[in-house]
Amino acid sequence: DAGVIQSPRHEVTEMGQEVTLRCKPISGHNSLFWYRQTMMRGLELLIYFNNNVPIDDSGMPEDRFSAKMPNASFSTLKIQPSEPRDSAVYFCASSLTWDTEAFFGQGTRLTVV
Amino acid sequence: GIQVEQSPPDLILQEGANSTLRCNFSDSVNNLQWFHQNPWGQLINLFYIPSGTKQNGRLSATTVATERYSLLYISSSQTTDSGVYFCAVNTGGFKTIFGAGTRLFVKA
Repeated sequence: DAGVIQSPRHEVTEMGQEVTLRCKPISGHNSLFWYRQTMMRGLELLIYFNNNVPIDDSGMPEDRFSAKMPNASFSTLKIQPSEPRDSAVYFCASSLTWDTEAFFGQGTRLTVV
Repeated sequence: GIQVEQSPPDLILQEGANSTLRCNFSDSVNNLQWFHQNPWGQLINLFYIPSGTKQNGRLSATTVATERYSLLYISSSQTTDSGVYFCAVNTGGFKTIFGAGTRLFVKA
């Protein structure tokens, strides 16, 4: 398996624009996580899916953030409208179940100017 | 919620030296992972170690769950070991809590 695949690797956008980040989890993994990493706050869990269903989105910072998982092999994280303070590295991770070893994608570095 | 503390926060080593990184956690955990974030930002799995001891080449890890700590040993360090080492714990829910990390720089 190629591991968790995220796209794009880098994204630069203007304030106010919509941004969509994409993730393909490892085949067979039932749990998917979106994280955000910043210097100030470290790695924070944004949302967790189990069997394609969002279980907890309490980490999503604002209503501008939304995430979907239409099937077992694809998830998106959308920010609309984007703001400069959203600039961060966004990671997707997957695991067989919620409490087993998690594997991370290479991340998407988002810069909002 | 659970607190995860890593020490030291920063570490500079001469190539070839050994080191021990520590992770303390404030509550019982279901699982614990060690990650290495390389200078390119990639998070690499090192160990999945809720308890016991594991070894992988020059790296080994020990988790003493009853005493709420885990140790990561790096022997004969190399410049490619540079980066940030994270400890991440799960307490039984789906949330994995990451420590603040230990930033390691290995000098040639």
